[in-house]
Amino acid sequence: DAGVIQSPRHEVTEMGQEVTLRCKPISGHNSLFWYRQTMMRGLELLIYFNNNVPIDDSGMPEDRFSAKMPNASFSTLKIQPSEPRDSAVYFCASSSLGPNQPQHFGDGTRLSIL
Amino acid sequence: DAKTTQPNSMESNEEEPVHLPCNHSTISGTDYIHWYRQLPSQGPEYVIHGLTSNVNNRMASLAIAEDRKSSTLILHRATLRDAAVYYCIALLGAGSYQLTFGKGTKLSVIP
Repeated sequence: DAGVIQSPRHEVTEMGQEVTLRCKPISGHNSLFWYRQTMMRGLELLIYFNNNVPIDDSGMPEDRFSAKMPNASFSTLKIQPSEPRDSAVYFCASSSLGPNQPQHFGDGTRLSIL
Repeated sequence: DAKTTQPNSMESNEEEPVHLPCNHSTISGTDYIHWYRQLPSQGPEYVIHGLTSNVNNRMASLAIAEDRKSSTLILHRATLRDAAVYYCIALLGAGSYQLTFGKGTKLSVIP
């Protein structure tokens, strides 16, 4: 079975550019999560969706970050404009709907903003 | 929030059991204990979770203290592939979806 698929795996871009990270959740999963991992702050939840609807975006650092889930099989995390401090590994995870469901993580996108 | 405390690092010999401790003294009655692990250059991987009773699955066992202020993840026979950072997480409330990751325990397995 295919797991959570993220693209690209690596992204290097210059400050000020728009960055779009993509995620395909596991088929049948109705909850989707975006996380960010840095050495300084560890793993942080940015936003999560249930049934394509954003439920909690309190972890989104600022207005430069936005996330969408237009359908059950696709989500994007966009940073515009990007800054060097956005450099991190971004993970997408999905789970069945309901609390305490195991979350399945993708392999992440390593983002470097120069 | 129910904070969890774990040792920064532990070592184990290959093929020996490993007991990874976690303290969560402020946990509430509806907080589940979840364990995830993260292998190098990979996303976190779900290991096990429980509320009050001890739990077993193909990966590990979870022993939860009777007062629920601590728990122990047990790997029955450590392999080199088990070298990872292990995170103990108290999932807040019966209806919560939000995993709050701490620093975890880095487990090294010695051949």
